[in-house]
Amino acid sequence: AQTVTQSQPEMSVQEAETVTLSCTYDTSESDYYLFWYKQPPSRQMILVIRQEAYKQQNATENRFSVNFQKAAKSFSLKISDSQLGDAAMYFCAYRSAISGGSNYKLTFGKGTLLTVNP
Amino acid sequence: NAGVTQTPKFRILKIGQSMTLQCTQDMNHNYMYWYRQDPGMGLKLIYYSVGAGITDKGEVPNGYNVSRSTTEDFPLRLELAAPSQTSVYFCASSYEENTEAFFGQGTRLTVV
Repeated sequence: AQTVTQSQPEMSVQEAETVTLSCTYDTSESDYYLFWYKQPPSRQMILVIRQEAYKQQNATENRFSVNFQKAAKSFSLKISDSQLGDAAMYFCAYRSAISGGSNYKLTFGKGTLLTVNP
Repeated sequence: NAGVTQTPKFRILKIGQSMTLQCTQDMNHNYMYWYRQDPGMGLKLIYYSVGAGITDKGEVPNGYNVSRSTTEDFPLRLELAAPSQTSVYFCASSYEENTEAFFGQGTRLTVV
């Protein structure tokens, strides 16, 4: 079974600064997908960024980028030029690329609560 | 485009009562899921469905039932509510070939 670990329960950053959230995972599979989801106080789960394991290039979405280290099974999220609206709980998640059944489920870490200070 | 819609947003149940959490999606997704989120934890899969008429258990199915009579709807039934079922419940959907899961806004359920 796959596991996802987020070792930072809470992080804080000054507005306009850069912050990196850590995520490690454990799997015996070679092909899979990794995601970062944002959960603001509204409770909505919002997809921030995703990474296909077969791609060596790190994914980027505007101010959000990842550092994907497949051999180390590490998947960190970097938020540049942090904004007050980035304050939220951030979840790292894993999904198998194997077809069928519950392989399409997401396995989540426990989350990192990000505070952005003005 | 509504996406994934869950109702109700909040509910308080007494121990032993039953209720159904509604979930509907308008994206013609085959895959639908129910997750629960407990404080300080990530989401855990309760049940999932790969298409109309097909459902299966996830990691934490005890105390719940689901049905999938149409592609759009995937209700979650709680029978004999217990305090351990106090949680936030999320419905989600995805395409088989598309890896992105879309979530509803969640239902906060309290069992007293």
